[in-house]
Amino acid sequence: DTGVSQDPRHKITKRGQNVTFRCDPISEHNRLYWYRQTLGQGPEFLTYFQNEAQLEKSRLLSDRFSAERPKGSFSTLEIQRTEQGDSAMYLCASSPRTETYEQYFGPGTRLTVT
Amino acid sequence: GNSVTQMEGPVTLSEEAFLTINCTYTATGYPSLFWYVQYPGEGLQLLLKATKADDKGSNKGFEATYRKETTSFHLEKGSVQVSDSAVYFCALSPFEGGSEKLVFGKGTKLTVNP
Repeated sequence: DTGVSQDPRHKITKRGQNVTFRCDPISEHNRLYWYRQTLGQGPEFLTYFQNEAQLEKSRLLSDRFSAERPKGSFSTLEIQRTEQGDSAMYLCASSPRTETYEQYFGPGTRLTVT
Repeated sequence: GNSVTQMEGPVTLSEEAFLTINCTYTATGYPSLFWYVQYPGEGLQLLLKATKADDKGSNKGFEATYRKETTSFHLEKGSVQVSDSAVYFCALSPFEGGSEKLVFGKGTKLTVNP
């Protein structure tokens, strides 16, 4: 069990550029979640996959954000035309097939938009 | 809606002191409740959980009891150590309409001095 991994760990980009983050969940976890955390705040839910199906999206997720989970394994989160307000830590979590749906978090990708 | 309110931090204690971090929640259904911990430079880790009223979650000397009548899930530890210094997040999972997202509080930073 290698845990949830995220790549890259840090990303600095200029406003207006597109960025893509990757998340590899714990193997055999069929649920995958994306959250965003800004300084001094708790994580905020963005979107959720069960296998390859995207089952829920937050109203926080503007049209510039898109997430995919092809084949129900790794997931990508893309932000188009980045804005300074997108600067945050983007967290990925995965969850096994258990009743309590515990979520296991990755280390996060810190995005800085200049 | 669903929300979590935690006591404001930061909290500074001496080693072996008693710790309480208050957490109250608002939920329309019967949520599961969690405490997550974020150590400096690390990702979020599940500390403990409770899935129904009167359940007590416990781990590493920390405890929290799911109190439906007061909508609370306060975190306690009888004797804190320097190694407990971290940010603690209370969270709920509402399970509304199949939603499995976590709703987090803002976090409480704990510093334990030797």
